[in-house]
Amino acid sequence: DIVMTQTPLSLSVTPGQPASISCKSSQSLLHSDGKTYLYWYLQKPGQSPQLLIYEVSNRFSGVPDRFSGSGSGTDFTLKISRVEAEDVGVYYCMQSIQLPRTFGQGTKVEIK
Amino acid sequence: QVQLVQSGAEVKKPGASVKVSCKASGYTFTSYDINWVRQATGQGLEWMGWMNPNSGNTGYAQKFQGRVTMTRNTSISTAYMELSSLRSEDTAVYYCARGDGYSLAVDYWGQGTLVTVSS
Repeated sequence: DIVMTQTPLSLSVTPGQPASISCKSSQSLLHSDGKTYLYWYLQKPGQSPQLLIYEVSNRFSGVPDRFSGSGSGTDFTLKISRVEAEDVGVYYCMQSIQLPRTFGQGTKVEIK
Repeated sequence: QVQLVQSGAEVKKPGASVKVSCKASGYTFTSYDINWVRQATGQGLEWMGWMNPNSGNTGYAQKFQGRVTMTRNTSISTAYMELSSLRSEDTAVYYCARGDGYSLAVDYWGQGTLVTVSS
């Protein structure tokens, strides 16, 4: 199984400041079709996970542009340009290049 | 809008089975996969498997092979996940989630169903 490793595991951010989360995979997520199957989710307190980013850098429908994704191969980053109070929760990366789909351990983001 | 509505919470005894339903609306049910993901209290997300509602084809994580069965009823746009031989470690919230066959994103999620296994 592909192991997804996130850092840090927790983050305390002042509103309006940027935040960054790293995700590393144990194998390359670049498929022979040219796509890289890496996704980012946010699980707000008491809610189901919601898709933020698909295929490394594409924002899902309705996701604010303060969220951005980057990376390639095995190293990926989610950035929030200016954190808002509504961004609190646990962020997960996930890979879909190989079954079983696997998730990172999660990064808990809180507001200072 | 896309919605996945799951059945209510369940309490089961060890050794029993549980069957969770997931009713889809707002899109063509047979055009997207259904994934099942679980989350123990305070823990991370664990993918269990997927089903193609059109063909009925399934794929299960090795950890659940032999204990999980994913089925569907296309006439009512509903997917089901049955887990047998329950043990206390299976206590978790179980989510169904739609899978996009093109981007391979798991995009829309149900509200979750809490399954508690306790004697």
